[in-house]
Amino acid sequence: GAVVSQHPSRVICKSGTSVKIECRSLDFQATTMFWYRQFPKQSLMLMATSNEGSKATYEQGVEKDKFLINHASLTLSTLTVTSAHPEDSSFYICSAHDSSYGYTFGSGTRLTVV
Amino acid sequence: LAKTTQPISMDSYEGQEVNITCSHNNIATNDYITWYQQFPSQGPRFIIQGYKTKVTNEVASLFIPADRKSSTLSLPRVSLSDTAVYYCLVGPPGYSSASKIIFGSGTRLSIRP
Repeated sequence: GAVVSQHPSRVICKSGTSVKIECRSLDFQATTMFWYRQFPKQSLMLMATSNEGSKATYEQGVEKDKFLINHASLTLSTLTVTSAHPEDSSFYICSAHDSSYGYTFGSGTRLTVV
Repeated sequence: LAKTTQPISMDSYEGQEVNITCSHNNIATNDYITWYQQFPSQGPRFIIQGYKTKVTNEVASLFIPADRKSSTLSLPRVSLSDTAVYYCLVGPPGYSSASKIIFGSGTRLSIRP
């Protein structure tokens, strides 16, 4: 089956620094990937849709300059949280789409900004 | 995208059958119903998908009445490891062109010994 690898699984960073999260489709090519954020005890909130070779589409209320998304290849999308602040602390999850397997989710990244 | 409504939480005991119902009154003709399971600090995991009547796989069954305005996820003989959040989603099937998935509130299932 399809596997999506997300790295790192946990990261702690200082306020004001930037953090990059990687999402890789290991055994399939994904022209479309999605990034979600999840706060404790809450559902997943879609942040943006990432399309290979083009600009990401951000959901309303998500700052595109703060959450930089790059989908430079068919197997890799990255989310960079720029100038992170404690309120950016959350669980970030990516998902990749394939016509054979549908949607596969990564294992998530726990970001803590101190 | 069709909006879904499901119970916020449910409790059950090991060995019991658990049925979680989801309402989706505005489901479109070409929409499928998909259920995901999410454990704490993990990404959602696909459980089952169906269009109508009944679908069964090794972990669950999905019952969909003729009007397709609701669906029921059935977990047979649950164990403690089935404690998780279960999400019901309605939309085009996963194998079609990618469209964004919007998650509802989900049902937090707690299994007790």
